[in-house]
Amino acid sequence: SQQGEEDPQALSIQEGENATMNCSYKTSINNLQWYRQNSGRGLVHLILIRSNEREKHSGRLRVTLDTSKKSSSLLITASRAADTASYFCATDVSGGYQKVTFGTGTKLQVIP
Amino acid sequence: DTEVTQTPKHLVMGMTNKKSLKCEQHMGHRAMYWYKQKAKKPPELMFVYSYEKLSINESVPSRFSPECPNSSLLNLHLHALQPEDSALYLCASSLLGTGINTEAFFGQGTRLTVV
Repeated sequence: SQQGEEDPQALSIQEGENATMNCSYKTSINNLQWYRQNSGRGLVHLILIRSNEREKHSGRLRVTLDTSKKSSSLLITASRAADTASYFCATDVSGGYQKVTFGTGTKLQVIP
Repeated sequence: DTEVTQTPKHLVMGMTNKKSLKCEQHMGHRAMYWYKQKAKKPPELMFVYSYEKLSINESVPSRFSPECPNSSLLNLHLHALQPEDSALYLCASSLLGTGINTEAFFGQGTRLTVV
């Protein structure tokens, strides 16, 4: 069953602009993760934020987590054409990964 | 080596065929997973192996039969599949332990078409 709903479902921006994707989930979590998937192939882990963290940065990525609202956002700054992909949030309710559930995903297109 | 290798990349099989998907990792991860992903949908968990033992089966039909021969290998045996089983099958691995925060490493997937 799906734990996370992502918004928007699709996003198209110009190269150099920032892209923001949102994820809402239903139950308490141990951590939340963001993954990228190119053209329906394997998923690549981007960033993990623990339930007791509010914000985390990794390069051009910024993730926020609001456990009171059960929501997270992923910001990609200064987007590049290579960022074109689908982005999924994934929630881990147990710790130890085994019961991770993926959200519905946001399809990002960055236009050169 | 941070790779999860899946073979084959593409597979077309008839409904009466028997085939196997293979997955290999050498990161020392003791948890391995099979996911199924339909087009424009998120990955859905099928099976989880912990220390080479099946720990989670998400009510997957018996025409899918997983096997974990050793800590580096994971197979998915397919038999008498239906056209609606056509999908991208993803293998993943991760560290194992309760209360830890870890991510999974995914293979590139096998795109399966059942005809």
